[in-house]
Amino acid sequence: TQLLEQSPQFLSIQEGENLTVYCNSSSVFSSLQWYRQEPGEGPVLLVTVVTGGEVKKLKRLTFQFGDARKDSSLHITAAQPGDTGLYLCAGPGTLNYGGSQGNLIFGKGTKLSVKP
Amino acid sequence: GAGVSQSPSNKVTEKGKDVELRCDPISGHTALYWYRQSLGQGLEFLIYFQGNSAPDKSGLPSDRFSAERTGGSVSTLTIQRTQQEDSAVYLCASSLGGTGQMDGYTFGSGTRLTVV
Repeated sequence: TQLLEQSPQFLSIQEGENLTVYCNSSSVFSSLQWYRQEPGEGPVLLVTVVTGGEVKKLKRLTFQFGDARKDSSLHITAAQPGDTGLYLCAGPGTLNYGGSQGNLIFGKGTKLSVKP
Repeated sequence: GAGVSQSPSNKVTEKGKDVELRCDPISGHTALYWYRQSLGQGLEFLIYFQGNSAPDKSGLPSDRFSAERTGGSVSTLTIQRTQQEDSAVYLCASSLGGTGQMDGYTFGSGTRLTVV
């Protein structure tokens, strides 16, 4: 079964701290995406990474795709309360794993709480 | 509309009743997806529509679940004879063509279904 494992499951930090969350799989993915979901809302796309070793920056957020394209990380510098939310990674499902080439599979997410 | 619209936002139903959940995707998006999000679980893929192709129903958990998409636009997810384990947030997403894996999904805010 094709799975995306995210860690940690929960993270509570103070404003101004740095943090890293992880998304790991035993499978190779052609691309990975990161979404952030706030309570009562649907997930919102943050970034797509497609090349092994790729690093993308979005303001204080840095995303990295592993060289072997089996893992990804999200690093937040100087976290703010507005960063609070559920961070989800997602990758394309494949026919070989009983899925469809059209849909994304999602990890269970990291629930981040940033306290002022 | 500017985003993906889902209705109702909340639905409470009695066990055994049928429910219909509606999704209005972004105009011009040919791909439409339904996911289910339960407490502590990730997003579970249900069904995927792409243009005029036959939908990928591989994620539907039982034959009580069905979905249709009329005119390549609005979609309805129907759950018959609801059970308590059907309680979850049902999320709809759309993407431009079948490129959700690269361009990402745009999600609606979801329908929170509670079966009592």
